[in-house]
Amino acid sequence: GQNIDQPTEMTATEGAIVQINCTYQTSGFNGLFWYQQHAGEAPTFLSYNVLDGLEEKGRFSSFLSRSKGYSYLLLKELQMKDSASYLCALMDSNYQLIWGAGTKLIIKP
Amino acid sequence: IAGITQAPTSQILAAGRRMTLRCTQDMRHNAMYWYRQDLGLGLRLIHYSNTAGTTGKGEVPDGYSVSRANTDDFPLTLASAVPSQTSVYFCASSQTSGGANEQFFGPGTRLTVL
Repeated sequence: GQNIDQPTEMTATEGAIVQINCTYQTSGFNGLFWYQQHAGEAPTFLSYNVLDGLEEKGRFSSFLSRSKGYSYLLLKELQMKDSASYLCALMDSNYQLIWGAGTKLIIKP
Repeated sequence: IAGITQAPTSQILAAGRRMTLRCTQDMRHNAMYWYRQDLGLGLRLIHYSNTAGTTGKGEVPDGYSVSRANTDDFPLTLASAVPSQTSVYFCASSQTSGGANEQFFGPGTRLTVL
């Protein structure tokens, strides 16, 4: 079966850098996604990794290590609007997404 | 319409009643999905459709049914609602069902079953 773990909640300061980790166990792997979800809103796509390494997109970067079953989302120059939940999702062998419970990120001034 | 719309936005429903949640997309995406989101849990897939005319069961299909008569619409029906189906329901779509295709989500339907 599959299992995805990410921290329930993290706190960071405006202007700082934060790393949100995601570990997973799976029998089939077709990529890993990160989504952002503001309270009361729908998830929106941030990044996709299928090969090992770092993908950079503006202030956000995502890293994947398939051998370690590990990914992280790195957010730089934090802004108050980055306060949201960040969802890690694994694409399994059937091309369906298996979702982590999400990490609630609180940004303090 | 731009993207995905869902209706209703919210609903309070008596247990035992039948309810259909509507979902429409205008992006001509082939694949569509229904998820439920409960506090402390990740999104869980209820049903999906890889293309018009086909549907499949996800992780938690019991008590729900779907149809995909055309590309744009993907309604979710609760035949006889139970309190455990109280949740936020999200419809999503993607160009195709695999690879790097991001899923686009509708705004959600908040359903309360009493």
